[in-house]
This record gives sequence, C-alpha cells and structure tokens, in this order.
Amino acid sequence: DIQMTQSPSSLSASVGDRVTITCQASQVISSSLNWYQQKPGKAPKLLIYDSSNLEIGVPSRFSGSRSGTDFTFTISSLQPEDIATYYCQQYDNVPFTFGPGTKVEIK
Amino acid sequence: QVQLQESGPGLVKPSGTLSLTCAVSGGSISSSDWWSWVRQPPGKGLEWIGEMYHTGATNYNPSLKSRVTISVDKSRTQFSLKLTSVTAADTAIYYCARGTYSGSPPYWGQGTLVTVSS
Repeated sequence: DIQMTQSPSSLSASVGDRVTITCQASQVISSSLNWYQQKPGKAPKLLIYDSSNLEIGVPSRFSGSRSGTDFTFTISSLQPEDIATYYCQQYDNVPFTFGPGTKVEIK
Repeated sequence: QVQLQESGPGLVKPSGTLSLTCAVSGGSISSSDWWSWVRQPPGKGLEWIGEMYHTGATNYNPSLKSRVTISVDKSRTQFSLKLTSVTAADTAIYYCARGTYSGSPPYWGQGTLVTVSS
C-alpha cells in the first residue's frame, strides 16, 4: 500500500494568513492526488483533484501543487469558514489511501 | 444533481454482517460513474473500502477484500455494502460516494454511523 504522510498534523493561524500543508507519498505516484476538506459532523468535500485542479465552485484561495512525491496544499488567505481538517488522498494505486489529516484552527 | 443517502442498521453484533444501502436520487447507477464506500472511525481518519463501476467491475481494499461485497440493486437506484464477520474495529461512519474517475469521488452522502457491539 502507498502510505501518505501529512504535515503538520495541526496548525493555528490568523485570518488572512497563508496556510500550507504538505503531503508525501511513500513511493512515486502520478498526479492522482486529491485534497479534501472535512468540517465536524460533515462528509469530506473535494477541493482539489489531480494535484492542482480546483473543483467547480471551490474558492480560488485554495490551490495545490506537486513536486515529485511531495504535494502541497495552500490556502492563500485563511478565512473563518476554512476551519476544518484537510486530507490528501492518492488514487494512483489500489488501495486508494488517505493522509492522516491536518487540523486547521484560527489563532 | 445526483444525491446520495446511506441507510442501514446503526448497531451490528460482533461476528455479524454489516449491510448498508446508498440510495441514489436525481440519476441512476447506469451512468458512467464509480460508486464508492469510505469509512471513518469516530474521531479518526478516512479509510477507502472499495468501489464499483456501473458495469459491475469492482476494486476493493485488500485489507477488507475477503469480507466486503459492493453490489447494485436491480432497480439501479441504489447500491449496497456488505461487510461480514465484523468486530469492534469496524465501528465507523460509513459514507457512500460517486465520481467520474476511479478513486476520486466529488459527491458524498452524509454518512451513517454503524456501531459493532453486543
């Protein structure tokens, strides 16, 4: 199985700050990586697919990029409604696997 | 807009079978989509269980493969998950999901909590 690691596991930032989360795969994968946002009590919401493509209707402050086996998720200007846990997920190889999540809080 | 809604028993006895259905409204399972199940133990991360293509082809998580079956109802308006020989470790919120691409579902149900306990 491909193991996905995420860092940090949690972060606290101020409204308007730039927030960056990284995700690393245990082996080389293609660009088949998603970023999901999950708010408490809700289903995950797909924000980014194929490493860097914004899902329809998702605000442009969210973005993703890839460099080799490292993937980066960025919120350019943190908003109060962005408080959530963010998960990366590879869908290059079965079983599709998720990272452990990054909890984002407002400082 | 296709919507998904999970349903099934909220409590299953150890060694029993967990059976859930996902009702599809606003569309049918005949469309060229992948239909998935993902679970999340309370307070923990997400685990991909498996998926089924509209043709009936399936992909399963090898860690669960011997116990899992994903199938489509004959009406093609709902699909189901069966997980046999359950233990407390199978206690989780179970989500059904749908997407055009294998492993990448943008549309999810609200989830249903299943507790395994005697």
